[in-house]
Amino acid sequence: DQQVKQNSPSLSVQEGRISILNCDYTNSMFDYFLWYKKYPAEGPTFLISISSIKDKNEDGRFTVFLNKSAKHLSLHIVPSQPGDSAVYFCAASWKSGNQFYFGTGTSLTVIP
Amino acid sequence: DVKVTQSSRYLVKRTGEKVFLECVQDMDHENMFWYRQDPGLGLRLIYFSYDVKMKEKGDIPEGYSVSREKKERFSLILESASTNQTSMYLCASSSPFQLAGGPDTQYFGPGTRLTVL
Repeated sequence: DQQVKQNSPSLSVQEGRISILNCDYTNSMFDYFLWYKKYPAEGPTFLISISSIKDKNEDGRFTVFLNKSAKHLSLHIVPSQPGDSAVYFCAASWKSGNQFYFGTGTSLTVIP
Repeated sequence: DVKVTQSSRYLVKRTGEKVFLECVQDMDHENMFWYRQDPGLGLRLIYFSYDVKMKEKGDIPEGYSVSREKKERFSLILESASTNQTSMYLCASSSPFQLAGGPDTQYFGPGTRLTVL
């Protein structure tokens, strides 16, 4: 059973606009969340993370928002750039665990 | 610089062959993981290891086995390859969450695209 879900398989955004990628989870024990970015023929690379004690974490153009009551997180990219075109995975874990649970991924296309 | 390497980028095998996928990390990480990535299914955990000679089943271990004889090396073995094992295989490593004070970032290798004919 998929504990982490990304319901939008793909998203297209104009360059310069905001990209919003969404992720939902079902396990209330999760208390740490990450976003990874993956280009074709490469392994995923870490983008940004957030702990459950926060509701927002920002790193340059990337911001992750966490809504614990809704079991929902989102990644905002502002402004979007063509180089952001990739597949984005969200992942979740908890402190006593040693593995991450990944979503199915959202393919972002930023149109120049 | 953090590095996870995988023995092959592309591999083509025949049904029934025994397949070895090798992964090496140079970060002295205790945890190592094998995933497969398929369209619409995301990354699914096959096996992971939190110490030498230790292994734990992930979500989809059937048809696979693993070996961790040395800390830096984690091998995935397909005993008898089948066409439904055609996929992108990704290896990752991380520090134990307990040592890192919480979940640590997983570092991924470039992946092996395996095709089973």
